[in-house]
Amino acid sequence: AQTVTQSQPEMSVQEAETVTLSCTYDTSENNYYLFWYKQPPSRQMILVIRQEAYKQQNATENRFSVNFQKAAKSFSLKISDSQLGDTAMYFCAFMAAFSTSGTYKYIFGTGTRLKVLA
Amino acid sequence: EAQVTQNPRYLITVTGKKLTVTCSQNMNHEYMSWYRQDPGLGLRQIYYSMNVEVTDKGDVPEGYKVSRKEKRNFPLILESPSPNQTSLYFCASVERITDTQYFGPGTRLTVL
Repeated sequence: AQTVTQSQPEMSVQEAETVTLSCTYDTSENNYYLFWYKQPPSRQMILVIRQEAYKQQNATENRFSVNFQKAAKSFSLKISDSQLGDTAMYFCAFMAAFSTSGTYKYIFGTGTRLKVLA
Repeated sequence: EAQVTQNPRYLITVTGKKLTVTCSQNMNHEYMSWYRQDPGLGLRQIYYSMNVEVTDKGDVPEGYKVSRKEKRNFPLILESPSPNQTSLYFCASVERITDTQYFGPGTRLTVL
């Protein structure tokens, strides 16, 4: 069975500083995807970044980047130059696609609440 | 605009009164899913659908029903709601090319 663990329930960072959110996962699948979603106070789930497991290069999206360590099953999110608008709950998610059944399996972590301080 | 919509956004009801939360997507996605979000538990999958007339249980299906009669719609039905179903509910659909999931705005349900 797949699991996703976010061991930091809450974090805070000063505006303009850098913060790293941790995520580890467990799976026996070889092909899968990993995601970070942001949930601001509006409760909308917003995709931040996506990583394919078969790609060794770490994904980046502007100020957001990941450190993907496949062997260690680790997928951390780095936010550079933190902004007040980054204050949100962040969820790490794992997805495997099963070609035989044509279905997907999504597993979410429990979330890390990030507060950016002015 | 490509989107997933849910209605209602907020609902307060009483134990045992049947309710339906609607979900619709305009992106022609085959795969759709329902989640509930509870503090400290993250998002847990209730049901999913791979296509029209094809649905299956997720991790927490007890007390819920779904149907998929049309590709765009995937309603969540609570036949006899109970207080432990008080939660934030999300509908989502998957874009197959990138295997990325897109979420609706959420429905806050309170069962008294």
